[in-house]
Amino acid sequence: KQEVTQIPAALSVPEGENLVLNCSFTDSAIYNLQWFRQDPGKGLTSLLLIQSSQREQTSGRLNASLDKSSGRSTLYIAASQPGDSATYLCAVKYGGSQGNLIFGKGTKLSVKP
Amino acid sequence: GAVVSQHPSWVICKSGTSVKIECRSLDFQATTMFWYRQFPKQSLMLMATSNEGSKATYEQGVEKDKFLINHASLTLSTLTVTSAHPEDSSFYICSARASGLVHTDTQYFGPGTRLTVL
Repeated sequence: KQEVTQIPAALSVPEGENLVLNCSFTDSAIYNLQWFRQDPGKGLTSLLLIQSSQREQTSGRLNASLDKSSGRSTLYIAASQPGDSATYLCAVKYGGSQGNLIFGKGTKLSVKP
Repeated sequence: GAVVSQHPSWVICKSGTSVKIECRSLDFQATTMFWYRQFPKQSLMLMATSNEGSKATYEQGVEKDKFLINHASLTLSTLTVTSAHPEDSSFYICSARASGLVHTDTQYFGPGTRLTVL
């Protein structure tokens, strides 16, 4: 069964810290992996998308890495800010470009000022 | 960028009534739309996939007669929760996959609809 797990489920850090969110997946034959941000009661905002042939993607203070062989991805957030507080979801796509996304339960991040 | 809207953003209804949720792609055509459900502190779970002009494909365990999906045009899909019960209370999110754009395998997500059944 294809499953996506995110650790930790919740994380609270003081402003300014660098932090790492983890995502693991059971089936390494992925098409791509995507990190999303979800604010309370809101939809999803795509942050970074890594194709299966790529090792990492960067956008501003965010860096996502992908290690297919070990079934892991990490989202690195540098110099965290209170505005980064949200739930971060990892989603893996299998079955090619038309495949479905399988989501993890997310990591709820709280950045304290 | 591609924008997906949902209406309503929240709805409260009595048990036994039906509720319709609309999902629209505002500035692109979506040949495929997806409906997800998210319970508190849980992941998004795919309910069904709909392609324009054809019947929706439902995931295992999702009752197709209870969750009616219509994808009549390239910019609109609707989800109707029929005879809603309190256990149907959830956050429903739609997603649209673009056709004709560079990244045709990219899904764009709507803001979600909070359904509360009393």
